[in-house]
Amino acid sequence: LAKTTQPISMDSYEGQEVNITCSHNNIATNDYITWYQQFPSQGPRFIIQGYKTKVTNEVASLFIPADRKSSTLSLPRVSLSDTAVYYCLVGDNYGGSQGNLIFGKGTKLSVKP
Amino acid sequence: GAVVSQHPSWVICKSGTSVKIECRSLDFQATTMFWYRQFPKQSLMLMATSNEGSKATYEQGVEKDKFLINHASLTLSTLTVTSAHPEDSSFYICSARDAARSGNTIYFGEGSWLTVV
Repeated sequence: LAKTTQPISMDSYEGQEVNITCSHNNIATNDYITWYQQFPSQGPRFIIQGYKTKVTNEVASLFIPADRKSSTLSLPRVSLSDTAVYYCLVGDNYGGSQGNLIFGKGTKLSVKP
Repeated sequence: GAVVSQHPSWVICKSGTSVKIECRSLDFQATTMFWYRQFPKQSLMLMATSNEGSKATYEQGVEKDKFLINHASLTLSTLTVTSAHPEDSSFYICSARDAARSGNTIYFGEGSWLTVV
């Protein structure tokens, strides 16, 4: 079971780039790294997923070093609507007591004007 | 991205009654679905893993007779809160695993607010 550690909160201003780092020292060979965004009273929304190196999509980039013991979610030019909680999840096929999908506390990002 | 739909979005029920929440994967087949519970300003807590055609696997401390899970098809899992009490009031979220994608990506439903009065 890969435990993840993220900063509890981060503050930013509109237009800035935000980098949120997640530590997962016990990541297994088969584990992927997935990031989700959650707004109040909504289910988490998939942002990006990666296994190694760098992954980029239309909303974010994910940087994963060679040892895969951490990952960094990069949000370019954030806006007020990016204020949310961001979760890093690490795992493969299994849920709960069998393996992954245990949520940490997440990082509460506050974007200010 | 893949879509997971929950219904109802919110429900109010009387204490002692049962309520069912549905979770559907709309554009992919999900052999595995997950049910979470979330209290205000807290993280998601995994309740159980639902496997199509077999019994759900419950997390420690979750009463399987109170939170009945049925995963009868590859696109539908249901959570039934039986004999609901006010302490069962919470935000319930489901997710489904798209095994066809690399990384077995998990997609979440919109969540369902349950209020027991």
